[in-house]
Amino acid sequence: DSGVTQTPKHLITATGQRVTLRCSPRSGDLSVYWYQQSLDQGLQFLIQYYNGEERAKGNILERFSAQQFPDLHSELNLSSLELGDSALYFCASSLGQLSTDTQYFGPGTRLTVL
Amino acid sequence: AQSVSQHNHHVILSEAASLELGCNYSYGGTVNLFWYVQYPGQHLQLLLKYFSGDPLVKGIKGFEAEFIKSKFSFNLRKPSVQWSDTAEYFCAVNARSGYSTLTFGKGTMLLVSP
Repeated sequence: DSGVTQTPKHLITATGQRVTLRCSPRSGDLSVYWYQQSLDQGLQFLIQYYNGEERAKGNILERFSAQQFPDLHSELNLSSLELGDSALYFCASSLGQLSTDTQYFGPGTRLTVL
Repeated sequence: AQSVSQHNHHVILSEAASLELGCNYSYGGTVNLFWYVQYPGQHLQLLLKYFSGDPLVKGIKGFEAEFIKSKFSFNLRKPSVQWSDTAEYFCAVNARSGYSTLTFGKGTMLLVSP
């Protein structure tokens, strides 16, 4: 158990819908990262927040957005869902934002878009 | 931008065989290097990491990796694998002076037969 929790574990929805994935970081960690894992693209970084502020953006689609709340939990919102958005979405957290800070990963949310 | 190549997508070994998984990265500056492991049904866990100093780093569960700067490589090794090492292994990199976000390779699925 990494200490990072993600809900829900599984999500099945239809194309065009909107979903929200939730992540709670390890106690004391200020950074939260979102990654998408798919068969064709592998593990790709989406977005990072540090202490409530966006810090870095990766290959995140405009239909996707995220935020980090004052209690440091984070939510990833995916809208106008397409079949290709089906993937495993991981959240990770780290103490700070140094490149040497270890990232601890959650168990992931498996999203299936039908 | 960084990129990571893992040349072997699938590796099958018998117990007690030696393991070497290749990882090459592409980046012009100083990097931090990581190996993560994902056991079936579990979250990603850090196996080992290299920042600086001795290029041979030891991690958990008997794994080690060697950083060869001239070859832009960070290969993972284990002298004798066990059935419990069956998992997917990911090499990752980030820039020492940049963001903490990780760029991952596509992963290598290791199957160890008893």
